[in-house]
Amino acid sequence: AQKITQTQPGMFVQEKEAVTLDCTYDTSDQSYGLFWYKQPSSGEMIFLIYQGSYDEQNATEGRYSLNFQKARKSANLVISASQLGDSAMYFCAMREGEYNFNKFYFGSGTKLNVKP
Amino acid sequence: DTGVSQDPRHKITKRGQNVTFRCDPISEHNRLYWYRQTLGQGPEFLTYFQNEAQLEKSRLLSDRFSAERPKGSFSTLEIQRTEQGDSAMYLCASSGGFSNQPQHFGDGTRLSIL
Repeated sequence: AQKITQTQPGMFVQEKEAVTLDCTYDTSDQSYGLFWYKQPSSGEMIFLIYQGSYDEQNATEGRYSLNFQKARKSANLVISASQLGDSAMYFCAMREGEYNFNKFYFGSGTKLNVKP
Repeated sequence: DTGVSQDPRHKITKRGQNVTFRCDPISEHNRLYWYRQTLGQGPEFLTYFQNEAQLEKSRLLSDRFSAERPKGSFSTLEIQRTEQGDSAMYLCASSGGFSNQPQHFGDGTRLSIL
């Protein structure tokens, strides 16, 4: 089974509107971390936001927030007030375990296009 | 914190040649990862080091691929007898040892096989 599933290959949003990018994950670990990365066309992977499995509150970082629904195993990224510079690929990732993990699992990504 | 650096940024080579890429992680990070990424896809895990020990290799990593991290600092990824299918972006990332610490990525090495 896929560890990380992103079901939206592409999304369009109007500038200044909010958009939600979906991510579901699969793990039997109690301790894990969820991450979102942005990859603009220039190629660099930019870390956006982190949510720990034990965190009771949804993570927020500026215009980014993570809608964490543990029972549903979903970790959707919400971008508020979209800007043209938000146009990029967005990847959801998961890291299992507290210390002796081995790797991160990445989804296939969602391409976000912000329209003026 | 100078970030993760990778060298070279681009590599063009003929099929059958050997190539080597270098990654310098963030100095205080003991975890180092190599990924391969093709257009429109997410990073695909290749291998992982904790300090100088290579703890995991993907089954996708054929015998033509080898990675080292001899002193637990920089790492090299070598591809021998390159094939057309090796054309991709090769990403290096490093992280600390706790679950709330993200990976920090380098800008990648883009490999093109002629």
